Amino acid sequence: RKEVEQDPGPFNVPEGATVAFNCTYSNSASQSFFWYRQDCRKEPKLLMSVYSSGNEDGRFTAQLNRASQYISLLIRDSKLSDSATYLCVVNIAGNNRKLIWGLGTSLAVNP
Amino acid sequence: EAGVTQFPSHSVIEKGQTVTLRCDPISGHDNLYWYRRVMGKEIKFLLHFVKESKQDESGMPNNRFLAERTGGTYSTLKVQPAELEDSGVYFCASSSQGSRNNEQFFGPGTRLTVL
Repeated sequence: RKEVEQDPGPFNVPEGATVAFNCTYSNSASQSFFWYRQDCRKEPKLLMSVYSSGNEDGRFTAQLNRASQYISLLIRDSKLSDSATYLCVVNIAGNNRKLIWGLGTSLAVNP
Repeated sequence: EAGVTQFPSHSVIEKGQTVTLRCDPISGHDNLYWYRRVMGKEIKFLLHFVKESKQDESGMPNNRFLAERTGGTYSTLKVQPAELEDSGVYFCASSSQGSRNNEQFFGPGTRLTVL
C-alpha cells in the first residue's frame, strides 16, 4: 500500500466549476500535511499547509480528518490558471523532515 | 531574494558514466534536501542535510550515489557509475531551521537521462 494515495485523474472541468481532490495517508504518526502544485515540467510549489481545523486561502479550502487519515482540497470558481497537478504531501512526526508524496492529481480547467 | 537553483537543468549521459548535480539553497537555509521523481512514480526523498551534516540519508538508492555539502552551503549529488534506472528529475529543496510547518522551497530540478 502506498504511503500517500491520490486519485491520479485527470479531472477535466469547465471554468467556474468547483472541484475536490482527496488523499489518504497510511502512517498515523503523520504530523504535517500539505498541498503542493506542480505545473508541467516545473518544480512543485507549496499551495497551502493543511491544519486540523481546516483552512481557507481565497478560492482554496483544505480539510484534514486525522481519524480517517484523509485530506481534501476544494477549489471553487476554477480558473484556467488552476490547471496543474496537485500533490498531497505529508511529514512524519519528530526530527524527520522528509516529505512523503502522493502521485498527484491532474487538473485541466477548460474554457 | 534568489530561490533554490540547480545545475545543470538537463544532463544526458551514457550508462557507466559519472554525473554531478549541484544545488544552491536559499541563502541562510540550514536544511537542504534531495528528492527524485522517476517517470510515472511519486517524488521520493533521497536525503537531508542540516548545514554540512547528513541528518537522514535513508532514501539514497545505493552506494552509487554520493551527496556532499561541504561548508554547509551548496550541495552536490554524484552518481557513479550511472545506470538506466537513475533517469529522472532530481529536485533540491531547502528550508530554514525555524520554518513554520517545515515549508520546503524547491529548485527547478535537473532532468537526468541515462542512455
